[in-house]
Amino acid sequence: QKEVEQNSGPLSVPEGAIASLNCTYSDRGSQSFFWYRQYSGKSPELIMFIYSNGDKEDGRFTAQLNKASQYVSLLIRDSQPSDSATYLCAVPNFGNEKLTFGTGTRLTIIP
Amino acid sequence: GAGVSQTPSNKVTEKGKYVELRCDPISGHTALYWYRQSLGQGPEFLIYFQGTGAADDSGLPNDRFFAVRPEGSVSTLKIQRTERGDSAVYLCASSLAASGRSDTQYFGPGTRLTVL
Repeated sequence: QKEVEQNSGPLSVPEGAIASLNCTYSDRGSQSFFWYRQYSGKSPELIMFIYSNGDKEDGRFTAQLNKASQYVSLLIRDSQPSDSATYLCAVPNFGNEKLTFGTGTRLTIIP
Repeated sequence: GAGVSQTPSNKVTEKGKYVELRCDPISGHTALYWYRQSLGQGPEFLIYFQGTGAADDSGLPNDRFFAVRPEGSVSTLKIQRTERGDSAVYLCASSLAASGRSDTQYFGPGTRLTVL
């Protein structure tokens, strides 16, 4: 079983709708979770992190964490064409913080 | 301020050759990470430095790969006897410190390595 799993997509969402990206992880001891956005040919860019169960909102982005289900998600409200990218879920290793990434979900916002 | 920089941005080499990839982290960041990303995959961890020492090199695929950070700032990833399977984007990231709650890792633009 992979440590961090994501649906690779592609996921197509109409402009203005809500995009929902999901991630599951295998290590029950994981404490924090990161969402990175990666445009084609570019490096990953952090957009959200979450430590506590529940929701964390930042502008149009909401991260949701359910540690009991080992599930973390990212919601993008009012999706824009500029949100089209690959979204990577990452979990740091306790102690040295090396990140284990999922394969990423490719999101396309359709105008 | 200046972000993480990596040179070269692209490197094409022939099978069997030696290559060096350089990373200049954000000033003041003590933690430095190297990752490798193949097409369609997420980045995979290679090695992590805390200061000058390699605190975790468990991700290096074999002994052809080596990395140094002699003064605790710039790091060089060295690959000997390159193979076609080494072709990937090599990403460097730095963070303020790798202790306690996770610090944000900031990624450089990457070096695209192509082994012919």
